[in-house]
Amino acid sequence: RKEVEQDPGPFNVPEGATVAFNCTYSNSASQSFFWYRQDCRKEPKLLMSVYSSGNEDGRFTAQLNRASQYISLLIRDSKLSDSATYLCVVISSGSARQLTFGSGTQLTVLP
Amino acid sequence: EAGVAQSPRYKIIEKRQSVAFWCNPISGHATLYWYQQILGQGPKLLIQFQNNGVVDDSQLPKDRFSAERLKGVDSTLKIQPAKLEDSAVYLCASSEGTVPSKQYFGPGTRLTVT
Repeated sequence: RKEVEQDPGPFNVPEGATVAFNCTYSNSASQSFFWYRQDCRKEPKLLMSVYSSGNEDGRFTAQLNRASQYISLLIRDSKLSDSATYLCVVISSGSARQLTFGSGTQLTVLP
Repeated sequence: EAGVAQSPRYKIIEKRQSVAFWCNPISGHATLYWYQQILGQGPKLLIQFQNNGVVDDSQLPKDRFSAERLKGVDSTLKIQPAKLEDSAVYLCASSEGTVPSKQYFGPGTRLTVT
């Protein structure tokens, strides 16, 4: 089993739709979680951190479920500009603090 | 504020040749990361520096890859000799603290090995 797994998609949704992605992780000692966005042939950019209580940033909501070991990203009212690959990042605790990216979920928002 | 700088942006070499990539992180960022991103996959961490010390190089193929971060600022990643499967984008990132946190990525170097 991979340390961090994401549904690769692609997710094709119409403008204005709500879409959600999950990211599962295998290390129960994982401590920090992030969502990054990567546009085609560009570098990843931080979208948002994921806090234990869940957090929201405009149309984006991130949640953490420690019991089931997954994080989620919800995008409401999708825009064409949301089309990108969404990568989750999981950081384990301990002295090594290993950092692992998921393989990404591709989203295309259609007009 | 200047971002993470990388050079070159593109490199084409033949297998068994050597290549080096350079990264200049955001000023004041203590932690520097090198990633390999193969098409269709997420970035894979190759090595993480905290200042000029190595924190994690568990996924660095040490028989052919080497990296250094002299004086805790700039870093170079070298491949010698290159293999076809090394074709990928090599991303450098930096973060402010001494533990993995929010990272800022450079534009990457796209390497093609023929």
